[in-house]
Amino acid sequence: TQLLEQSPQFLSIQEGENLTVYCNSSSVFSSLQWYRQEPGEGPVLLVTVVTGGEVKKLKRLTFQFGDARKDSSLHITAAQPGDTGLYLCAGARGSSNTGKLIFGQGTTLQVKP
Amino acid sequence: GAVVSQHPSWVICKSGTSVKIECRSLDFQATTMFWYRQFPKQSLMLMATSNEGSKATYEQGVEKDKFLINHASLTLSTLTVTSAHPEDSSFYICSAGTPLETQYFGPGTRLLVL
Repeated sequence: TQLLEQSPQFLSIQEGENLTVYCNSSSVFSSLQWYRQEPGEGPVLLVTVVTGGEVKKLKRLTFQFGDARKDSSLHITAAQPGDTGLYLCAGARGSSNTGKLIFGQGTTLQVKP
Repeated sequence: GAVVSQHPSWVICKSGTSVKIECRSLDFQATTMFWYRQFPKQSLMLMATSNEGSKATYEQGVEKDKFLINHASLTLSTLTVTSAHPEDSSFYICSAGTPLETQYFGPGTRLLVL
């Protein structure tokens, strides 16, 4: 059972287009992280959101945590080829889960020049 | 962000041999480290949680006698793949946990078993 559903799993767009990646769950998370991973490298943390309804911006990337802390979205404005990579959302379940993260399936993004 | 290193970055070994992978948190102390396995174009699969000074907690389906984990200090955890076979070939990634629940990942180790 996948506790964190991430969609879409694959996305190929042209440079300049906008896109949104979604992570949804029926479970509540104490925090949620977004990571970006390039081939052959480890995931790099983009953002952590902890408060329901929270919105964080990182240049052209906008992250939102749902009011109920069950879902999150990543919106990229005017995508660039350098945004290409695997995007992963990961939720934490608080102290009862010993710090483990529950990962979504990942979204492979390709931005064509 | 915090820096986590892994060594080696890649390794090729013969079937039946053992391989040790090191994971170090360079600028902070991590009481908990995590070991993941990743197949091409897929998400991370948690193998085990490594706690400093105690036994690791393995996820269901992960053989603890095959994947030995040692967390001897607050900055070092090791994963030893014992009697490696070709099906163990994969990308292994460690992470160091923080009290804020964020994990910082190492660069990964590519293992190829011939």
